[in-house]
Amino acid sequence: EVQLVQSGAEVKKPGESLKISCKASGYSFTTYWVGWVRQMPGKGLEWMGIIYPGDSNTRYSPSFQGQVTISADKSISTAYLQWSSLKASDTAMYFCARHRCYSSDSCYMDYWGQGTLVTVSS
Amino acid sequence: EIVLTQSPGTLSLSPGERATLSCRASQSVSSSYLAWYQQKPGQAPRLLMYGASSRATGIPDRFSGSGSGTDFTLTISRLEPEDFAIYFCQQYGSSLTFGPGTKVDIK
Repeated sequence: EVQLVQSGAEVKKPGESLKISCKASGYSFTTYWVGWVRQMPGKGLEWMGIIYPGDSNTRYSPSFQGQVTISADKSISTAYLQWSSLKASDTAMYFCARHRCYSSDSCYMDYWGQGTLVTVSS
Repeated sequence: EIVLTQSPGTLSLSPGERATLSCRASQSVSSSYLAWYQQKPGQAPRLLMYGASSRATGIPDRFSGSGSGTDFTLTISRLEPEDFAIYFCQQYGSSLTFGPGTKVDIK
């Protein structure tokens, strides 16, 4: 059974750093793209970017390029989403998802993690 | 960037009724690379359809998708109580973008 299990909710202050995780199981982690989707409170879904754990090839949405870092550790089948300096506007639910891709920017998401709520407040 | 518009914003129906949800793209979506997701409150989205008309694993056949080019439709033939949720379309023909969602609520 494919599962993506995300790390728990976080409460941070503006300017702090953060790394959240997404542990995959039930499939070959290195042969599927995995990525992140943001959902701000009461809003829709925004695609952030993806990584191919097999070779660490990474793609970002222009809206998130330079704002976050996506990485993966294939030895423990885990993907990460990282911020170096959080802002209040980063407050949102973040979902990881396994991507089925026809190319590196032509993907849909077939399995999702349960979400990690990130709250940034002074 | 391809912009997706979903209509209506909210659809109020009763169990057993037919639901028809629309997703329109600002430009043609190549190869009908259009997916639909269902999201219930407090839950992650769930893949319903991909390739405009292919049902994902485990999705009941009361869900169907159609369309090509710029106009796509998700149809739920007979609404079950568990189908009341928000539905998002997503195109993956040119990068990835989501529509704003259609909420299906109980009339």
